[in-house]
Amino acid sequence: NAGVTQTPKFQVLKTGQSMTLQCAQDMNHNSMYWYRQDPGMGLRLIYYSASEGTTDKGEVPNGYNVSRLNKREFSLRLESAAPSQTSVYFCASTQAGVGDIQYFGAGTRLSVL
Amino acid sequence: GENVEQHPSTLSVQEGDSAVIKCTYSDSASNYFPWYKQELGKGPQLIIDIRSNVGEKKDQRIAVTLNKTAKHFSLHITETQPEDSAVYFCAATPHGTSYGKLTFGQGTILTVHP
Repeated sequence: NAGVTQTPKFQVLKTGQSMTLQCAQDMNHNSMYWYRQDPGMGLRLIYYSASEGTTDKGEVPNGYNVSRLNKREFSLRLESAAPSQTSVYFCASTQAGVGDIQYFGAGTRLSVL
Repeated sequence: GENVEQHPSTLSVQEGDSAVIKCTYSDSASNYFPWYKQELGKGPQLIIDIRSNVGEKKDQRIAVTLNKTAKHFSLHITETQPEDSAVYFCAATPHGTSYGKLTFGQGTILTVHP
């Protein structure tokens, strides 16, 4: 049971380049999330998908787009990367509702030069 | 929206000592408070959680307490071990969400010295 799988693990981009971060879960969870982690700022929600076919903005959505491809997969796209998007990105999933455990992937470490 | 403040940002203890991390939240309607542990190079992992109808919960060497009146909750680790060294995050659910959205604190780097 792999849980939440993120690819790639590391990525270096030049300013203006685009890329897509991939996330897949094998726990049949309804809800999925994308967070970014920066030093001293904890985890901040970028976008989430409450269920297949729906997506909503989180706390810091600017510069990002998402796609809930199916129940298993939730991707995050940077259309034109900026140095301010240098961060560690985590995908998470949960069954649904308040009080359900969120399971996290191992993260993608992104540097934008 | 919800705001969660976590203190201290770093905590250094000797093996065998206790460690306490405190969080305050702003939304009195928040009703679920998990704690996550993040080891180096890994994603956060839930270690304990508490709901607003419970004041204290314990699981072996870790415990969480909740004071709804004061809107704060704390993580207590007793008999600390070097493998407890990690970053710890508290979190709370914002009001009005039914989709498991969490607001996280800033994190505490715990170092346990042998």
